[in-house]
Amino acid sequence: DSGVTQTPKHLITATGQRVTLRCSPRSGDLSVYWYQQSLDQGLQFLIQYYNGEERAKGNILERFSAQQFPDLHSELNLSSLELGDSALYFCASSKKVQENTGELFFGEGSRLTVL
Amino acid sequence: GQNIDQPTEMTATEGAIVQINCTYQTSGFNGLFWYQQHAGEAPTFLSYNVLDGLEEKGRFSSFLSRSKGYSYLLLKELQMKDSASYLCAVDNYGQNFVFGPGTRLSVLP
Repeated sequence: DSGVTQTPKHLITATGQRVTLRCSPRSGDLSVYWYQQSLDQGLQFLIQYYNGEERAKGNILERFSAQQFPDLHSELNLSSLELGDSALYFCASSKKVQENTGELFFGEGSRLTVL
Repeated sequence: GQNIDQPTEMTATEGAIVQINCTYQTSGFNGLFWYQQHAGEAPTFLSYNVLDGLEEKGRFSSFLSRSKGYSYLLLKELQMKDSASYLCAVDNYGQNFVFGPGTRLSVLP
């Protein structure tokens, strides 16, 4: 158990819909990262938050948005869903002090299926 | 930006040794990680190299050469449970972690 909690574990929805994925980082970790992993693909970086503020952005679609709340949990919002959005979405957290980054601890992922 | 390459697939025999290579092109980074990922599961941390050289951790060792843009993960005394994907990732100064495409390792009896 990594200590990172993601909900829901599985989600099935239709094209055009909107979903919200939730992540609670490990206790004490200020940094949250979101990754997308499509079938047999590598991990694609979406976005990073540190202590409530957006710190880095990857190839995140405009239809996707995220935020980190004061209690440090994070949500990833996916809207106007398309078939190609079907993937495993991972959240990861790390302690991340400015000069010294630590390893990433991954949640079990949210598997999104768009029909 | 970063460009990371790994072999797509490898096969080895139980009890053997296998080396999984990772080459990268990046302007700079804090360190290089190796993760293991079983199908449909979360990646789990294996090793981290900051300085050039070899880091040994039980059956797993990882090597880094910054000047050559090269790393490898060495797995000894292979077990069936080692069948998984192995991902190398570059720590981009904490801004993000860029992952390679992963190497799918199959361990045969």
